[in-house]
Amino acid sequence: GAVVSQHPSRVICKSGTSVKIECRSLDFQATTMFWYRQFPKQSLMLMATSNEGSKATYEQGVEKDKFLINHASLTLSTLTVTSAHPEDSSFYICSAPGYLTSGRSYEQYFGPGTRLTVT
Amino acid sequence: DQQVKQNSPSLSVQEGRISILNCDYTNSMFDYFLWYKKYPAEGPTFLISISSIKDKNEDGRFTVFLNKSAKHLSLHIVPSQPGDSAVYFCAASAWMNRDDKIIFGKGTRLHILP
Repeated sequence: GAVVSQHPSRVICKSGTSVKIECRSLDFQATTMFWYRQFPKQSLMLMATSNEGSKATYEQGVEKDKFLINHASLTLSTLTVTSAHPEDSSFYICSAPGYLTSGRSYEQYFGPGTRLTVT
Repeated sequence: DQQVKQNSPSLSVQEGRISILNCDYTNSMFDYFLWYKKYPAEGPTFLISISSIKDKNEDGRFTVFLNKSAKHLSLHIVPSQPGDSAVYFCAASAWMNRDDKIIFGKGTRLHILP
């Protein structure tokens, strides 16, 4: 089946630095990818929709300048957490829709997630 | 405003018995529903889905039921096994809006008791 990878799986950084997380679709092309954030004991929160070749669409309340998203190719989207602070510590997950030949997205393939810890 | 609601944060079920996880939604534009299973520190894995044109979909031990009039769906796992212990997320999308975004519920933590 379709596979989505994320890199790194775990990262620790100092407050004030920036961290880049990569999301790759390994055996299919994804013009759209999604970035989620999960806080402890809470649901997945959709942060933004990454669109290949155009600007990302951010959900209400998500800071565009804080969470920079770039969808450079049909298989790669990156999320950069700029000037990270301890409250940005979280589990970040990306996903890409898997399309049937009819064009209907029938599921989202999720990456394994990236644990970000800001000290 | 929560569009997808899972009102039970946790559920404990004896091994071998049936697990029933419930989900309610408010947006009548949703026409596709999914269930995901998630272990700690891992990405969610897809379990089963159902289109709004159906009221039941079955895949092995997993069956999803959809009641459109009540805006309610449920996931049945039978028989429950120890490996089923995880957090289960209900999710919904609105294909008619050409929108592939899926909205997640808060999840229900399922404990399978020996």
